[in-house]
Parts: sequence; structure tokens; C-alpha cells
Amino acid sequence: LAKTTQPISMDSYEGQEVNITCSHNNIATNDYITWYQQFPSQGPRFIIQGYKTKVTNEVASLFIPADRKSSTLSLPRVSLSDTAVYYCLVGDRTTGANNLFFGTGTRLTVIP
Amino acid sequence: NAGVTQTPKFQVLKTGQSMTLQCAQDMNHNSMYWYRQDPGMGLRLIYYSASEGTTDKGEVPNGYNVSRLNKREFSLRLESAAPSQTSVYFCASRLLGVGQPQHFGDGTRLSIL
Repeated sequence: LAKTTQPISMDSYEGQEVNITCSHNNIATNDYITWYQQFPSQGPRFIIQGYKTKVTNEVASLFIPADRKSSTLSLPRVSLSDTAVYYCLVGDRTTGANNLFFGTGTRLTVIP
Repeated sequence: NAGVTQTPKFQVLKTGQSMTLQCAQDMNHNSMYWYRQDPGMGLRLIYYSASEGTTDKGEVPNGYNVSRLNKREFSLRLESAAPSQTSVYFCASRLLGVGQPQHFGDGTRLSIL
């Protein structure tokens, strides 16, 4: 079961770009990297997923180096509403088992 | 579109009581999951059901049982509740296939006295 390591917390001012890095040294060949966002009193919400190189969608970018032992979630121009906990997960997408380890996540606080 | 619906949203139990947490999804997803989240912690997988008719243990299955009633519903049962099971319980579902994320409900907050 591939586990992940993230910073416990980060602070950022509104309008800045935020980069959250996740370490996953034991990532397996079939594992994908997925990031979720969680607000208080809500379930996690999917942000972005990737296997290698760079993935971008309307809310974030995900950078994955060639060795895949880490990944970086990039949030452009954060706002107060981006204050949340962000989880990096590594799991096997090729089987139904889909074992995922959430870890403690990174608590991002956006400051006005 | 309701997505993943969990009932109840809140519950208080006494030690030794039993309880079933209900989860239903209307997205025609194959796989369903139960997690618990303790204060300040990440989610830990209790049980999952890769497809209708199958269930498997996750990281912390002791003290729980599950039933995949049909494709839509996946219930979690505490046979004899203990204070250590006080937590927020999340249900999730997912469509099988590469790149398919999990979709979560908003949780059941369970306190055991």
C-alpha cells in the first residue's frame, strides 16, 4: 500500500499561486496520483488526477516528475474559498480493489 | 442529481448498542466504500465493495460489518458500539475504469457514550 507524505499545513495570501508537494516513494507501476479537497463538515471532493508529466483542468494543475516519487498540486491565484484540507492519494486504478491511503492531508489557509 | 446519500447525518449511541449506517448512490457506480475520519486525521478505509456481491476489508475493519444490498446501497453495521468508534463516517462510490475518482457523501457523525 503506497503511502504519502505531505506538509501538515500551509498559509497563503489571496491571489497567490500555491504549490503543495506530496512524496510517494513506494509508488507502483499501476498507481495513479489523485488529489482531493475537503471542506469542514463535507466529504472529500475530487480535484485532479494524473499518472505522469503534467495534467491541467479548470481548477488546478498537477506536476509529476519522471520518477513519479513525488507530485505537486498547483492552485493558481487562490481565494478565501480555497481554504480547505488537501489530500494526495496513490492507488491502483486497474483493479476494482482500488486501495487508497488518505493520510492526514495539508491544511491550506488563505489569508486576506 | 443526489450523488451519494448517507443516513442518518447525526447519531448518538450508548456503548453496546447496535446501529446500521445507510449509504445509497444514484450514479450507477460499481464500487462503494466506507471510511472513518477521526478529529484532525485523514480518512481510513473500513470496508469496500469492488462490485455488487463482493466485499473486502480495508485498513480498519474490526468492529464493523457491511452489506452490499444491491448496486445502489452499501450499509455499515456496528454490532456492539464502543467509544473508540466515535467518528465521522463517509461513504463513497466510484465507476470502475482508469481515471474514475471516488464521489463522497457528506458523512454521518456518530458519537458513542
